Amino acid sequence: QVQLVQSGSELKKPGASVKVSCKASGYTFTNYGMNWLRQAPGQGLELMGWINTNTGTPTYAQGFTGRFVFSFDTSVSTAYLQISSLEAEDTAVYYCARRYCGGGSCSPFDYWGQGTLVTVSS
Amino acid sequence: QSVLTQPPSASGTPGQRVTISCSGSSSNIASNIVNWYQQLPGTAPRLLIYSNNQRPSGVPDRFSGSKSGTSASLAISGLQSEDEADYYCGAWDDGLNAWVFGGGTKLTVL
Repeated sequence: QVQLVQSGSELKKPGASVKVSCKASGYTFTNYGMNWLRQAPGQGLELMGWINTNTGTPTYAQGFTGRFVFSFDTSVSTAYLQISSLEAEDTAVYYCARRYCGGGSCSPFDYWGQGTLVTVSS
Repeated sequence: QSVLTQPPSASGTPGQRVTISCSGSSSNIASNIVNWYQQLPGTAPRLLIYSNNQRPSGVPDRFSGSKSGTSASLAISGLQSEDEADYYCGAWDDGLNAWVFGGGTKLTVL
């Protein structure tokens, strides 16, 4: 069965970096793009962007450029989200979710990771 | 301020039918498909409805989706206590060239 398993919670100080992992299983990793979404405490969902696991091309949504980097390692079917120069406002739960895009359209986010809480506090 | 507008809360009693609205515009709901996600307390969102009105396998037929013009709706019939969750609509926005979500609706089963 399809599973996305994320790394555990992180507590970081302002200015530090964090790398969240998302290990995929149960499907061919390169057949689906990997998306990253953020949910701040008590808030809704925001799509941060996604990475094409075939070409390696990342796409960042507005507001998520510069400090955010998507990457992956096909050999271990794992996608990564790295955030640098952390700020208190980055405190949130971060989710990975797979989605297939092709032929000019995209499938829904059909499988999600369990979420990783990143807390930024001095 | 979310691009798609949902009521912040909704409620119903067990067995009742409730609907949750999602209001958008010509650049999103009117011209693209709508998906709905359910987020139970403390868990990750899960896909509930896709392509406006399709249910993934495993989703009970008590859940249904519809779309008309610039609005979409999620209906839950035969409300159960385990339906208490946050519900989010989402759609592609042609003007923003981005996927957008509603702000979410917290459903309380009284």
